[in-house]
Amino acid sequence: KQEVTQIPAALSVPEGENLVLNCSFTDSAIYNLQWFRQDPGKGLTSLLLIQSSQREQTSGRLNASLDKSSGRSTLYIAASQPGDSATYLCAAGTGNQFYFGTGTSLTVIP
Amino acid sequence: DTGVSQDPRHKITKRGQNVTFRCDPISEHNRLYWYRQTLGQGPEFLTYFQNEAQLEKSRLLSDRFSAERPKGSFSTLEIQRTEQGDSAMYLCASSLEGTSYSPLHFGNGTRLTVT
Repeated sequence: KQEVTQIPAALSVPEGENLVLNCSFTDSAIYNLQWFRQDPGKGLTSLLLIQSSQREQTSGRLNASLDKSSGRSTLYIAASQPGDSATYLCAAGTGNQFYFGTGTSLTVIP
Repeated sequence: DTGVSQDPRHKITKRGQNVTFRCDPISEHNRLYWYRQTLGQGPEFLTYFQNEAQLEKSRLLSDRFSAERPKGSFSTLEIQRTEQGDSAMYLCASSLEGTSYSPLHFGNGTRLTVT
């Protein structure tokens, strides 16, 4: 069974700092990897989807990379803002379902 | 694109009662998923549909749980004889699967509290 791990579990940074969130998965036979944001009490908002044939995806201040062979993905957030405070989850897609990590809780301090 | 909608947002029920949740996916999406999330954890897969066919169910989905997607549109998730351990956020997601995989779009979930 696919196991997805996210490190760190929580992160607190001052506004304006660049940061990296890490995601690792045990089975490299994935179709894609998706990053989500979740605000308290809400559903998940899709941020970036990387297909297995791709190495990275970018959207605004966000950049996600994928290294299937090493079972790793990173989410880079540039110039963090207080509005970026949320829990960030990664999910490894196997075609029929996505396996989620437990998330990284990010706090950006003004 | 009105997004994925779920109803109700919150449900409080007494142990032993039956509950039913509804999910309306994005209209053109052919895949619909149900996930369950407890506090501090990532979502756990329950089941998914390709159009009206239920193609996979997790072992988490005991025989008290049943899901349907009649006509490949909205879906319902029913929990019979609820237990306190069923308390969780139930999330629905949809996607459009064709020649490549598309992002999952989630609803805001139904929070179930079993007293």
